[in-house]
Amino acid sequence: EAEVAQSPRYKITEKSQAVAFWCDPISGHATLYWYRQILGQGPELLVQFQDESVVDDSQLPKDRFSAERLKGVDSTLKIQPAELGDSAMYLCASSSRTSGYEQYFGPGTRLTVT
Amino acid sequence: GQNIDQPTEMTATEGAIVQINCTYQTSGFNGLFWYQQHAGEAPTFLSYNVLDGLEEKGRFSSFLSRSKGYSYLLLKELQMKDSASYLCAVRRYSTLTFGKGTMLLVSP
Repeated sequence: EAEVAQSPRYKITEKSQAVAFWCDPISGHATLYWYRQILGQGPELLVQFQDESVVDDSQLPKDRFSAERLKGVDSTLKIQPAELGDSAMYLCASSSRTSGYEQYFGPGTRLTVT
Repeated sequence: GQNIDQPTEMTATEGAIVQINCTYQTSGFNGLFWYQQHAGEAPTFLSYNVLDGLEEKGRFSSFLSRSKGYSYLLLKELQMKDSASYLCAVRRYSTLTFGKGTMLLVSP
């Protein structure tokens, strides 16, 4: 069964450093999502792509976060500089219209900022 | 905007039935999802309701009333492995907005 791939699974970084996460969606899924999930909360949408275009990045802290999906396939989410409050699980998901927009999630990247 | 409410935590006994409620107020509605999330893992799909009524899938059922902005997830014959967080998510076009999740603790 096809899966969403994410790397790394765990990342520890010091505050003010740069960090990047990678996501490879299920083949053929045009829509890709990046979420941040703080412990005990639901996933919060950071950015949504349709192919290579950003559909929604209203909750993305653009002073430090950036996301790209240059060829409309895999995607990178970057934080620079990282802050203590960025410690969270970063989830990537993908969906397609033919799947009824059910979102398939990757295993996530657990970020700890020290 | 979107506002989704779920109880923070629920407890139940192995073999019992539990109902997890979700109420929502949204500016647009195309469907409602329920996801299960075990600690430290990614959410996994449980059910999807577009029309009013009950959808049954094995031990899990989900109900939707669009006029009341209300849904519930019903879990029967609870097992220890059902201890997890249950996330209600409202779909508007291709976007999902998640509730904060309900942590279900199943005890022997």
